[in-house]
Amino acid sequence: GENVEQHPSTLSVQEGDSAVIKCTYSDSASNYFPWYKQELGKRPQLIIDIRSNVGEKKDQRIAVTLNKTAKHFSLHITETQPEDSAVYFCAIRKANNNDMRFGAGTRLTVKP
Amino acid sequence: NAGVTQTPKFQVLKTGQSMTLQCAQDMNHNSMYWYRQDPGMGLRLIYYSASEGTTDKGEVPNGYNVSRLNKREFSLRLESAAPSQTSVYFCASSETSGGADTGELFFGEGSRLTVL
Repeated sequence: GENVEQHPSTLSVQEGDSAVIKCTYSDSASNYFPWYKQELGKRPQLIIDIRSNVGEKKDQRIAVTLNKTAKHFSLHITETQPEDSAVYFCAIRKANNNDMRFGAGTRLTVKP
Repeated sequence: NAGVTQTPKFQVLKTGQSMTLQCAQDMNHNSMYWYRQDPGMGLRLIYYSASEGTTDKGEVPNGYNVSRLNKREFSLRLESAAPSQTSVYFCASSETSGGADTGELFFGEGSRLTVL
């Protein structure tokens, strides 16, 4: 079945620095790649997503890049702020399939 | 518009007891999901339902049953709880348009279950 690996499991950066989280997957039929943010004690919420016909997508300080050939996609957060501290999850889904699988998560800490 | 509502929020069970987690969404979504979240393991899919009347197994279905009661409601049942089922359970829903899921999962607040 689908498998998605996420690295690193923890990441600590200084406020203002950039943070990058990477996910790799095995199923080439995957075509939808979202990223979710989960603050402590809260529910996961979508922050950005990308589909397989696009290589990069940006939304203010957040960007996602996709390399379908290498089967990996990454979350980039620039000018990090303390409120970016949370657990971030990548996920994958295949075309015409409702089965959404998540990575193990990355705990990001932004130090003021 | 409450979104996705789960009950109960907290539950303590003894090994062998049964219980049902309830989930309802008011966004008219076709697809609904149950995930469990354990430290260091992310969100693992238990079961999902692409539409009313259909259910499919996810990664970790053993020990669970589900019912898609109608378009709004999707329940998760533990027939004989085990300590390994201690976890936080999240229900989620998503829109489906023209047979293709548009993507975003909307999660409930979670249900923390402890099995002693």
